[in-house]
Amino acid sequence: DQQVKQNSPSLSVQEGRISILNCDYTNSMFDYFLWYKKYPAEGPTFLISISSIKDKNEDGRFTVFLNKSAKHLSLHIVPSQPGDSAVYFCAASPLAGSARQLTFGSGTQLTVLP
Amino acid sequence: DTGVSQDPRHKITKRGQNVTFRCDPISEHNRLYWYRQTLGQGPEFLTYFQNEAQLEKSRLLSDRFSAERPKGSFSTLEIQRTEQGDSAMYLCASSSGPTTGELFFGEGSRLTVL
Repeated sequence: DQQVKQNSPSLSVQEGRISILNCDYTNSMFDYFLWYKKYPAEGPTFLISISSIKDKNEDGRFTVFLNKSAKHLSLHIVPSQPGDSAVYFCAASPLAGSARQLTFGSGTQLTVLP
Repeated sequence: DTGVSQDPRHKITKRGQNVTFRCDPISEHNRLYWYRQTLGQGPEFLTYFQNEAQLEKSRLLSDRFSAERPKGSFSTLEIQRTEQGDSAMYLCASSSGPTTGELFFGEGSRLTVL
């Protein structure tokens, strides 16, 4: 039973346009959410996070939106750049600010076309 | 290089053999995690150490798996009597505390069981 779902295995976007990656979760105990980015042959790297007390968090070109009632979060990248091409994982934790047991989605491969 | 390092990067073994992976976390990080990632899936939590104490183990960690972190520095993950289903990428991560939930991942050790 997947508690964190990323239903789009892949997404292609033109350079300069917006990329929107989506994530759904089922466990209502989750209250801290993160996005990680992974390049081939590298480990995942942290990108951005959001606590359940917020509905938006922004860091430069990256913005994460959280809709608790829908149990849905999304990552917006604008403008998209070719260097953003990577696999993006969303992750969730039941303890705010804790990394003790992150549950990851299966990832979305983002390709930004020049 | 002050990142998380893992060794070996790739291990090919025959079914029934034992394998051991090593992880050296970022030196000032007291928390260390092992995750497993199979093809097309996100990382799955295996176990977590705070200093030398193993505080959590996933039910994925069967009795053929054992992890240690002597002296609270590097960690080893041993798999005994390997099975083909153990083939996966084993990821180690470290963090300095629960404040952000951000994990710093190594590049992973890929296990192939023939």
